[in-house]
Amino acid sequence: EPEVTQTPSHQVTQMGQEVILRCVPISNHLYFYWYRQILGQKVEFLVSFYNNEISEKSEIFDDQFSVERPDGSNFTLKIRSTKLEDSAMYFCASISLAAYNEQFFGPGTRLTVL
Amino acid sequence: QKEVEQDPGPLSVPEGAIVSLNCTYSNSAFQYFMWYRQYSRKGPELLMYTYSSGNKEDGRFTAQVDKSSKYISLFIRDSQPSDSATYLCAMSPRNNAGNMLTFGGGTRLMVKP
Repeated sequence: EPEVTQTPSHQVTQMGQEVILRCVPISNHLYFYWYRQILGQKVEFLVSFYNNEISEKSEIFDDQFSVERPDGSNFTLKIRSTKLEDSAMYFCASISLAAYNEQFFGPGTRLTVL
Repeated sequence: QKEVEQDPGPLSVPEGAIVSLNCTYSNSAFQYFMWYRQYSRKGPELLMYTYSSGNKEDGRFTAQVDKSSKYISLFIRDSQPSDSATYLCAMSPRNNAGNMLTFGGGTRLMVKP
């Protein structure tokens, strides 16, 4: 069964460093998302992406964040200058336009900012 | 008032019990309702989604939506230890792609053998 994959599974970084989190959505999916989940808190929407541009973004998704689809398979989330409060699980999700109420999530990347 | 609320639990039941998990919400614009299962430190796994009010059944799972009360439920029949996980409700207002999901905080379920 096709699935969303994410790398790395765990990323440790120093405050102020840039990180790039990578996702490979399901191959025929065209809409992509990033969510985050701070430990013990709700899953929160960050951004949605379609046709090489941002479709929607939340208040969390400020100028420190950017997304990119650098090739036909990868979808990345970049945090330019990490803060302690960026420590969280980051989940990528994707949908096909044939079933766009069914967001399929990846296993997540745990980001730890020291 | 929080947009989507869930009792965090934990909810502990014996194997074979019927489980009822619930969410309330405040935004009447929500039209699509989903239930996800999340095991510890894993990604949410979609279980079911429903549109508007009514019931939907899939195997041991039944999702129920009452828009007039802004209340949704997930019932699990014949619960198994493997059902032990956190159950997240999520919802969105529009039937088009790009829609962000708004999640509840999750209810932790423990099914004891």
